[in-house]
Amino acid sequence: DGGITQSPKYLFRKEGQNVTLSCEQNLNHDAMYWYRQDPGQGLRLIYYSQIVNDFQKGDIAEGYSVSREKKESFPLTVTSAQKNPTAFYLCASSQRGTGGLNEKLFFGSGTQLSVL
Amino acid sequence: DAKTTQPPSMDCAEGRAANLPCNHSTISGNEYVYWYRQIHSQGPQYIIHGLKNNETNEMASLIITEDRKSSTLILPHATLRDTAVYYCIVRVVIQGAQKLVFGQGTRLTINP
Repeated sequence: DGGITQSPKYLFRKEGQNVTLSCEQNLNHDAMYWYRQDPGQGLRLIYYSQIVNDFQKGDIAEGYSVSREKKESFPLTVTSAQKNPTAFYLCASSQRGTGGLNEKLFFGSGTQLSVL
Repeated sequence: DAKTTQPPSMDCAEGRAANLPCNHSTISGNEYVYWYRQIHSQGPQYIIHGLKNNETNEMASLIITEDRKSSTLILPHATLRDTAVYYCIVRVVIQGAQKLVFGQGTRLTINP
């Protein structure tokens, strides 16, 4: 089945530790996105990538880093610089990232990150 | 960025039509309106989208006003499984890159 796979479902981070959230898609989509969701809140954009080897900061990129070495993969690293990392993280993809406004986003099932 | 405004919560009886409003008064001419829903601790699920014409699919109908400043999502026969947070979203292109602007959403509760 085609779709987006996020792993792990639950992740715990210790103080000063970097952790990486995985996002893989087999939809052959060009664009991929990372969102953060806090309890009772909407989604906020962290980073997005429109093409391999290229990515842009979203609204809340500080304390996060990404890479896009392969079309199907867009891992997110939560660094120790992110002082309030506890949140629900969602990865998404779409067919194209530029120009076309008539495109659906497909979301993964999310990763819940908590601080120990 | 275009922003959306939705009521924080709504209730609807099972079997009745659920009508969820959304204001997007600053929407520009080429911006689509998207609706997604999210069940607790899951990824948002696409429902429907439109530009200026009314749209219908197997899940819902979308009514967009002529001036495009507001829209209504209609779930024609709501079931208990439709209980979720519904997001009305406008997609914008800024400096060639797309962004989805999420609001707080409407928490819809379907009552038996």
